[in-house]
Order: sequence, then C-alpha cells, then structure tokens
Amino acid sequence: QVTLRESGPALLKPTQTLTLTCTFSGFSLNTRGMSVTWIRQPPGKALEWLARIDWDDDKYYRTSLKTRLTISKDTSDSQVVLTMTNMDPVDTGTYYCARMRFLIRGVVASPYYGVDVWGQGTTVTVSS
Amino acid sequence: EIVLTQSPGTLSLSPGERATLSCRASENVHSDYLGWYQLTPGQAPRLLIYATSSRATDIPDRFSGSGSETDFTLSISRLEPEDFAVYYCQQYGKSPYTFGQGTKLEIK
Repeated sequence: QVTLRESGPALLKPTQTLTLTCTFSGFSLNTRGMSVTWIRQPPGKALEWLARIDWDDDKYYRTSLKTRLTISKDTSDSQVVLTMTNMDPVDTGTYYCARMRFLIRGVVASPYYGVDVWGQGTTVTVSS
Repeated sequence: EIVLTQSPGTLSLSPGERATLSCRASENVHSDYLGWYQLTPGQAPRLLIYATSSRATDIPDRFSGSGSETDFTLSISRLEPEDFAVYYCQQYGKSPYTFGQGTKLEIK
C-alpha cells in the first residue's frame, strides 16, 4: 500500500523559511518511473502545482516560484523535503505531497498515470 | 501556462442522477496527460481518471472520462451520497502542471 504523509510547521511568520517533509512508503524513489510532487491549495482557491523530483534526481519547479523553492530527496529514509523561502501570507494554505508515476516506453518516460496517490495535506498559516 | 476552465462552478443534483462536468483548456492538451481528482473535506485527494479516460485503481465504473484537444468531460452515471465533493481537472503534460478551478457537486 502506497502512503505519503506531510509534516512541518503549522504557523510561520512572514519572511521565514518553510520546510516541509514528505515521508512515504510502498514505493521507492530509486525505481525508474517514480516521482514525488508538491501541490498546494490556498483557502477557497484552486490547486497549484509547486515542484517535482524524479527517480533520477531531476527536479522541476513552478516558474513563478522557482527562486524560492528547493526540493530534495533522501531515498534511504523515503523522504522528500520541500523548502520555500521568504514566506508571505499569500502562501497560506494546505500543502500536499503526492506520487506521480511515469510510463516507461524504451528510453522515454511520460507522466501518463498522473498524480496517483496523495497525502492528507498539512495546513500552513503565514501570519505576523 | 495552460489555463483550464471548469464548468459549472457548482452543480446541484440528487442521488441517482447523472453528473456531467466540463474542463476546457486554453490550448490543446495531449489526451495522455489529462486527469480528474476528487477532493472531500478531511480526506486525501483521490485520482479518479488519468489519461482522459482511464479509471484509477478502485474507482467505480460509474465514473468515466472523455474528450480531446481542448474539451474534456467527467461523467458520473448514478450519483451516490459519497460522490458529493469538489472535482478538479489537471493537465500534467506541460510544465507548469495546471488545475482547473474546480466544480463543486452538491446535493440538491
């Protein structure tokens, strides 16, 4: 059974750095075709994709947030860490980590299976 | 970035009725990279449909997806009480991956 769980601070002050940890089980990020992604949802708003890290350590970021985001993995501990610097009240919301599974066709990997398993999410509030 | 527009914003139906949710893209989306998700308060979001029309694991066959290019649809054939939730479409073929703004399916 694949599970993911987010952990991190519930409350931050503006300008502080957010560090979120995703602890997962049931799959390995050493396996080709596996990826972990972060998605957030501000209160009353739509989901917003933030970042992704793949089995080969390739990393992808939302362009508008690229200077503030860092994603990394610790495969031995089955964890992925997302840091976001210079937090602002507009960054308040629920942050989800989730697995993406890729279809491997020869040398090509495509995100065919979508975001197939999600964590419950963790709520982050940024307020002075 | 690809903008996804979902309609209607809110859909009021009764259990047993059929629901049809729309997702329109600002440019063509490859059908391999369009998914639908269900969000219910207090629960982890759930993947319903990937690659436009493939049901995810353990998703009942009353859920179906269709569409191509810029127009995609999620249909729920006979609404069950647990289906009343918020639904999002997502394109994951072109970065940044984007979601629609959601359709809230509520009990009439």
